[in-house]
Amino acid sequence: DTGVSQDPRHKITKRGQNVTFRCDPISEHNRLYWYRQTLGQGPEFLTYFQNEAQLEKSRLLSDRFSAERPKGSFSTLEIQRTEQGDSAMYLCASSLPLNTGELFFGEGSRLTVL
Amino acid sequence: EDKVVQSPLSLVVHEGDTVTLNCSYEVTNFRSLLWYKQEKKAPTFLFMLTSSGIEKKSGRLSSILDKKELFSILNITATQTGDSAVYLCAVDLNGQGGSEKLVFGKGTKLTVNP
Repeated sequence: DTGVSQDPRHKITKRGQNVTFRCDPISEHNRLYWYRQTLGQGPEFLTYFQNEAQLEKSRLLSDRFSAERPKGSFSTLEIQRTEQGDSAMYLCASSLPLNTGELFFGEGSRLTVL
Repeated sequence: EDKVVQSPLSLVVHEGDTVTLNCSYEVTNFRSLLWYKQEKKAPTFLFMLTSSGIEKKSGRLSSILDKKELFSILNITATQTGDSAVYLCAVDLNGQGGSEKLVFGKGTKLTVNP
């Protein structure tokens, strides 16, 4: 399978713990995005990388959230001191710099904070 | 605030029916409008629309954009049970570095009964 892969697929944690999600984009895609989706809502933009540079962050991304893409390949999204409101599906997507509108999404990492 | 509104939020039809899904938007920086289909986890790309009045078509699905009235419709003819999904409308805000920064609507959940 050469699509976008995310790990873990499901994470249950207690409030206050730190969690980290990993995304492996399609190999030739230099653009990588993180979105968050809660039940009954569309995905919300969190952050964007072009190669290893983080070019844009949503104001939704509090200082408890940090994302990296150290070598311009895989990316990690870390949430520190989790809160119940962080419970959501975290979706990663990648694309080529062609502006076709086509983002290739992974199947997501579902976070449940107890 | 950038906003994408979809209607209806939910729709139940019988196989063979034709459906029309609506999407209106108010955004500060429009580059294109996109439709995605979300069956289980990962949204998958359907169409990108940039010009008013030009219909995009793929099999039984078609879509059109009206940039004056700020809306788009997605039509599905001769629906099948496999069309059951959440249909997401999104607007590309042309993010930093030319990225596809998408703002999504809540989606229309379509259920096609046999």
